[in-house]
Amino acid sequence: NAGVMQNPRHLVRRRGQEARLRCSPMKGHSHVYWYRQLPEEGLKFMVYLQKENIIDESGMPKERFSAEFPKEGPSILRIQQVVRGDSAAYFCASSPGDGIGYTFGSGTRLTVV
Amino acid sequence: GQQLNQSPQSMFIQEGEDVSMNCTSSSIFNTWLWYKQDPGEGPVLLIALYKAGELTSNGRLTAQFGITRKDSFLNISASIPSDVGIYFCAGQYNNNDMRFGAGTRLTVKP
Repeated sequence: NAGVMQNPRHLVRRRGQEARLRCSPMKGHSHVYWYRQLPEEGLKFMVYLQKENIIDESGMPKERFSAEFPKEGPSILRIQQVVRGDSAAYFCASSPGDGIGYTFGSGTRLTVV
Repeated sequence: GQQLNQSPQSMFIQEGEDVSMNCTSSSIFNTWLWYKQDPGEGPVLLIALYKAGELTSNGRLTAQFGITRKDSFLNISASIPSDVGIYFCAGQYNNNDMRFGAGTRLTVKP
């Protein structure tokens, strides 16, 4: 897990605020994936990005959620106007794109109060 | 998308016992992977399988890629307390499309 850096580890937001989750992939990895994990549940795919491109966002809610992976800097998962149901652990993973599985970060635990 | 059915959902075993869990899918995969998640951490890759019928071991862990490419199992022999955690299967069809099972929560009683 040490290679993929996510911050913050814990984030508390009030309903209606914005949450910004950051992910720096492992060195040399240009593919980033975001997953959401609700308590006592598995990992649900949200979005897959390469540098400056969204490749697959089929798991992203249509409203309030967006993701980017700019040419420079970390990937950002942004949740606008958060609601209590957004409370979850959000995991980022990266890969070099050669299909050998992903390396996950330690996650950001979002709590909406 | 592809749906993975992982079972059992949870297991409570005594230290020293063997453990078996499996995953089935309605679709075929080119790669099966098994991850372990410790509390408060992200999943860590345990074993990756790349060919139908492949049997791979990693210490006390053994996993197999089913012949039909629609299933996989993971065995843990002689369980120890640090085996506690959530085990996830994952199937990958192409290089960048990986889906996870719901997880097997393992509790090991000393």
